[in-house]
Amino acid sequence: ETGVTQTPRHLVMGMTNKKSLKCEQHLGHNAMYWYKQSAKKPLELMFVYSLEERVENNSVPSRFSPECPNSSHLFLHLHTLQPEDSALYLCASSQEGTWGTDTQYFGPGTRLTVL
Amino acid sequence: EDQVTQSPEALRLQEGESSSLNCSYTVSGLRGLFWYRQDPGKGPEFLFTLYSAGEEKEKERLKATLTKKESFLHITAPKPEDSATYLCAVQAVGGADGLTFGKGTHLIIQP
Repeated sequence: ETGVTQTPRHLVMGMTNKKSLKCEQHLGHNAMYWYKQSAKKPLELMFVYSLEERVENNSVPSRFSPECPNSSHLFLHLHTLQPEDSALYLCASSQEGTWGTDTQYFGPGTRLTVL
Repeated sequence: EDQVTQSPEALRLQEGESSSLNCSYTVSGLRGLFWYRQDPGKGPEFLFTLYSAGEEKEKERLKATLTKKESFLHITAPKPEDSATYLCAVQAVGGADGLTFGKGTHLIIQP
């Protein structure tokens, strides 16, 4: 256990559905991240939130919508996804701002399948 | 643009056979280089952070080293439980705090 939890662990959705992924960190960190991991590709950064403000979008399609209501919770709202969006979605958190403490700790991920 | 290249893509070793994994990187200014271990269906597990050339860190059978262009993850006398995918990532100075990852090295240790 790294102190970062994600729900659900598995999700199957149709292209017209709307669903949300949830991430919660119990480490007292002030930054949270969404990454996408597709087969045969490196982890790709999607969104960065620092002190609950989004600081990087990384050119992610608008069908992915993040929300960070407080420093412990992060959501990824999904709508009208495409089959190529099927992947493992990983959440991470870190303590930003102090050199030497910015290691990112990852949750177990949500395996998303879009039919 | 920051880039990370890991080699080999896959490595099969006998139990007890030591080896090294390579991570070559290009980054405008290195804030940190990170090694993670990832088991199938799980999130990456943090192993090491290295900040400057010449730095070394050890944990059990693993040792990570850093130069100005690459990092090595040395594995000494590995056991089957060391089988996993090992990921390398860099974080640049001055940019947002996201990590740039390599594709990983899939390591298999045979009994």
